[in-house]
Amino acid sequence: SQQGEEDPQALSIQEGENATMNCSYKTSINNLQWYRQNSGRGLVHLILIRSNEREKHSGRLRVTLDTSKKSSSLLITASRAADTASYFCATDVSYSSASKIIFGSGTRLSIRP
Amino acid sequence: ETGVTQSPTHLIKTRGQQVTLRCSSQSGHNTVSWYQQALGQGPQFIFQYYREEENGRGNFPPRFSGLQFPNYSSELNVNALELDDSALYLCASSPAGTDFSPLHFGNGTRLTVT
Repeated sequence: SQQGEEDPQALSIQEGENATMNCSYKTSINNLQWYRQNSGRGLVHLILIRSNEREKHSGRLRVTLDTSKKSSSLLITASRAADTASYFCATDVSYSSASKIIFGSGTRLSIRP
Repeated sequence: ETGVTQSPTHLIKTRGQQVTLRCSSQSGHNTVSWYQQALGQGPQFIFQYYREEENGRGNFPPRFSGLQFPNYSSELNVNALELDDSALYLCASSPAGTDFSPLHFGNGTRLTVT
């Protein structure tokens, strides 16, 4: 089952434009993370935002978190061809003595030259 | 530091067979999580190992099992393979058992069941 759902499922923009992806989740979280995956390879961690944070920046990335709406957004500014990839939000789900990180279904981003 | 490595990179098996996938965690990481990713989908959590014990499990049947060794490397075993087991299997390590550190992924093993 998916905890997070990304929107849109696919996004195609021109190089240099900004890309915005959204993520909604179902249960309370301690933090939310965004990961990137190039063409069937391993995922790479991009940024983590904790539940008591509202906004975080890292280079060309800007993440927002609205815990009241159970949603997050990832903004990539000044997109480049190399940003073409799938982007996943991930939330931690605690149960018994363990926690697990659950991924959404992803947004496939294509940057047109 | 050495990253997460997985072997083999690709594997073809026949329905009903058994398979073992291997993962070496990143140096200094004692927690390993396994994920299954079907084509076009997000990774699905299989289970997590911490200090050689299973520390959480997703919605996968018992024919999916695992091990973690004293050096924190790990194996994923799948018995009685089914066609739907065809997927990219991802291993991820992190430096602690229950805090919420980012995961460091290997490049996966692509399993095809025919």
